[in-house]
Amino acid sequence: DIQMTQSPSSVSASVGDRVTITCRASQGISSWLAWYQQKPGKAPKLLIYAASSLQSGVPSRFSGSGSGTDFTLTISSLQPEDFATYYCQQANSFSYTFGQGTKLEIK
Amino acid sequence: EVQLVESGGGLVQPGRSLRLSCAASGFTFDDYAMHWVRQAPGKGLEWVSGISWNSGSIGYADSVKGRFTISRDNAKNSLYLQMNSLRAEDTALYYCAKGPRGGIAVAGDYFDYWGQGTLVTVSS
Repeated sequence: DIQMTQSPSSVSASVGDRVTITCRASQGISSWLAWYQQKPGKAPKLLIYAASSLQSGVPSRFSGSGSGTDFTLTISSLQPEDFATYYCQQANSFSYTFGQGTKLEIK
Repeated sequence: EVQLVESGGGLVQPGRSLRLSCAASGFTFDDYAMHWVRQAPGKGLEWVSGISWNSGSIGYADSVKGRFTISRDNAKNSLYLQMNSLRAEDTALYYCAKGPRGGIAVAGDYFDYWGQGTLVTVSS
C-alpha cells in the first residue's frame, strides 16, 4: 500500500498568516491527491481534489499543488475558522490511504 | 442538499456483530459509489470499505476483510455495513461518505460528502 506522510504534525500560526502543509507519498501518485479539513466533533470536509482543484464552495485562500510524491496545501491568509486538522488522501487500485493529519492551532 | 445520516452504532461485546446503515438524500443515489471511513477516538482517518453504484465492484481494507460486508439498496437510497467478529480495535466513529463518480478504486478517487458518523464501541 502507498503510505502518506504529512508534515508538520502540528503547527501554530496567527490570523492572517500564510501556512503550508506538506504531504509525501511513498510512491508516485501523479496528481491524484485530495485534502480535507476536520474541525473537532465534525465530519471531514473536502477542500481540494486532483491535487489542485478547489471543491465548490471552498474559499479561494485554500490552494493545493504538487505531483508525483510531493504535495502542498497552502492557506494564504488564515482566518479564525481555519483552525482545524487537515488530512491528505490518495486512492488507487482498491487502496485508499490518508496522511496522519496536521493540526493547525492558534498561536 | 446532500445528506448522509448514519445509524446502528452502539456498545457491543468482542466477537459479536453489528449492522450500520446510512440513509442518503439530496442526490441520485444509484449514480454514485459509496464508502465507509472510520476514525478511532483521537486518531486519524481509515478507509474501511467501498461499493460501486451497481454493487459490481466492492473493496475492503485488509484490517476488516473477511469480517465486514458492505452492501447497498438503491431502491431505499441506503448503504449498509455488516460487521461480524468485532474486535476492540474496531472501536471508532464510522462515517458514510459519497464518492464523486459511480466506480471505486479509480486512481484519484476521493470523498466529496460525509455524514456525521455513528459510534461503535467494542468492549466487554
